[in-house]
Amino acid sequence: SAVISQKPSRDICQRGTSLTIQCQVDSQVTMMFWYRQQPGQSLTLIATANQGSEATYESGFVIDKFPISRPNLTFSTLTVSNMSPEDSSIYLCSVGRPAEGAFFGQGTRLTVV
Amino acid sequence: LAKTTQPISMDSYEGQEVNITCSHNNIATNDYITWYQQFPSQGPRFIIQGYKTKVTNEVASLFIPADRKSSTLSLPRVSLSDTAVYYCLAKGGANNLFFGTGTRLTVIP
Repeated sequence: SAVISQKPSRDICQRGTSLTIQCQVDSQVTMMFWYRQQPGQSLTLIATANQGSEATYESGFVIDKFPISRPNLTFSTLTVSNMSPEDSSIYLCSVGRPAEGAFFGQGTRLTVV
Repeated sequence: LAKTTQPISMDSYEGQEVNITCSHNNIATNDYITWYQQFPSQGPRFIIQGYKTKVTNEVASLFIPADRKSSTLSLPRVSLSDTAVYYCLAKGGANNLFFGTGTRLTVIP
């Protein structure tokens, strides 16, 4: 198992600004995943973050909008850049592939006004 | 790509057994079926995983027929605290990490 801490748990941000979300894991992991969950919707994978290499983004997500850092095996950040109200969502980090039994953080509830 | 299909929502009374079925017609030979539970304001939580026939743990049972094109999550004697969204995953391909739409279960007193 893994314990994942995300910060902040929620935030209200002005449009045009950026927010960086932090994800800390209590053990070393090779891959970390970032998801977005829009209100009432399922989870959508944003990107996969490997330590020591650039993140791999899913279709519809780009590095300029969602830059990701992975400085070590226990930590990652996701930045939501130049925010608009459409970015209002819950952002979740996880470790482990979902099909193999993943662990998720509590999520960051972002509201853009 | 093993796309999954689940009912959008279900209601059940406390104490009843709930069965949620998921279809995954294009599941690959080596892929497992995995179920998650998500409470409001929390990340998903792994419930159970199986490959074929039946798997049971302290939370639920998972029934998978021989053709593996569907699976059924069974929750025995649900309580109000089982109200959540339940996601079925059937990995298809090397790196598919897709959650389906999920089933919103509401347990009624």
